[in-house]
Amino acid sequence: DQQVKQNSPSLSVQEGRISILNCDYTNSMFDYFLWYKKYPAEGPTFLISISSIKDKNEDGRFTVFLNKSAKHLSLHIVPSQPGDSAVYFCAASTHNYGQNFVFGPGTRLSVLP
Amino acid sequence: EAGVTQFPSHSVIEKGQTVTLRCDPISGHDNLYWYRRVMGKEIKFLLHFVKESKQDESGMPNNRFLAERTGGTYSTLKVQPAELEDSGVYFCASSHSGRGTGELFFGEGSRLTVL
Repeated sequence: DQQVKQNSPSLSVQEGRISILNCDYTNSMFDYFLWYKKYPAEGPTFLISISSIKDKNEDGRFTVFLNKSAKHLSLHIVPSQPGDSAVYFCAASTHNYGQNFVFGPGTRLSVLP
Repeated sequence: EAGVTQFPSHSVIEKGQTVTLRCDPISGHDNLYWYRRVMGKEIKFLLHFVKESKQDESGMPNNRFLAERTGGTYSTLKVQPAELEDSGVYFCASSHSGRGTGELFFGEGSRLTVL
């Protein structure tokens, strides 16, 4: 049973437009969420995070929105660039020391020039 | 500062053989995690060390998998005997003590192919 879901396995967006990647979770104990980006043959790299006390966190072109009542978060990339083409993983954890992170299956984003 | 390094980058073995994967975390990181990604699916948690102690090994699939972190530095993950379903990419990650930003630093992964 997947606790973190990313229902879109792939997404294609035109360069300069907005990319919206979605993530849903089932465990209401999750209180910390992260997005990772992964290029082929590389390990995932941290992109942005959000704590459950917030509903939005912004870092440059990347913004993460959290809707706790819907158990839903989204990552917005504006404007999208070809270098953003990668697999994006949503991850969640509870606020316990040493608790492991649960990852979603990933969404492959392709930004078309 | 060196990142998380993993060795080997790719290993091809036959069913029944043994493979040992190694991870060197970022210096000073007490937390070390092993994850696995099978067939392009989600990245699944295997286990978590804090220094040399196993904090959580609930994700280890069975007793054919043995992880160690002697001295709280590098870690090894041994698969013995390997089965076909063990094929996948094994990622190691490390992080600072406590939560901080919660950011995990991942290695490039060790791809295991069991024939």
